[in-house]
Amino acid sequence: NAGVTQTPKFRVLKTGQSMTLLCAQDMNHEYMYWYRQDPGMGLRLIHYSVGEGTTAKGEVPDGYNVSRLKKQNFLLGLESAAPSQTSVYFCASSLQGTGAFFGQGTRLTVV
Amino acid sequence: AQSVTQPDIHITVSEGASLELRCNYSYGATPYLFWYVQSPGQGLQLLLKYFSGDTLVQGIKGFEAEFKRSQSSFNLRKPSVHWSDAAEYFCAVDPSNTGKLIFGQGTTLQVKP
Repeated sequence: NAGVTQTPKFRVLKTGQSMTLLCAQDMNHEYMYWYRQDPGMGLRLIHYSVGEGTTAKGEVPDGYNVSRLKKQNFLLGLESAAPSQTSVYFCASSLQGTGAFFGQGTRLTVV
Repeated sequence: AQSVTQPDIHITVSEGASLELRCNYSYGATPYLFWYVQSPGQGLQLLLKYFSGDTLVQGIKGFEAEFKRSQSSFNLRKPSVHWSDAAEYFCAVDPSNTGKLIFGQGTTLQVKP
């Protein structure tokens, strides 16, 4: 059982570069989420999706875009990376409010 | 402001001792409540959850949590801690059953031999 899979696991970007983080889930969950984790701040919601073709902003959406073209995939994009986006990014999926399943995370460093 | 507070940033307990991690929330209605654990370099694993009903909920790995409406608390407990329990623990709430979680800042648990 793969659950929630994130790629890549590590990435170093230069300021201004772009990249896309991929999240895939095999549990047929309608809801998917992107969080970022920073020391002392817990996890904060960036964007989320309640179904294929839908996306919405979370608590800290600035500088990020997302797409949900297929139910099982949720992509997070950084168009022009900034050092403030250095963080660990987690994707999660759920059946509405039943508790989310998390991926292993992507550690992103922007230099 | 709506928030989730874990008052203890870091806790150290001896192996075999009991454990209680505190969590308080400030929402008008009773939200859905969760505890997650994160081992170093890993994702978050759901320990237990509370939606309604019995206020004492059992989870995996021998953990339990008690919901106290009057105190707006959802504290995590374990009677006897094992060295493998050393990790970071997060309390989270879902205020409106939308699946969007609001996390506390986390509590790092260290276990002494």
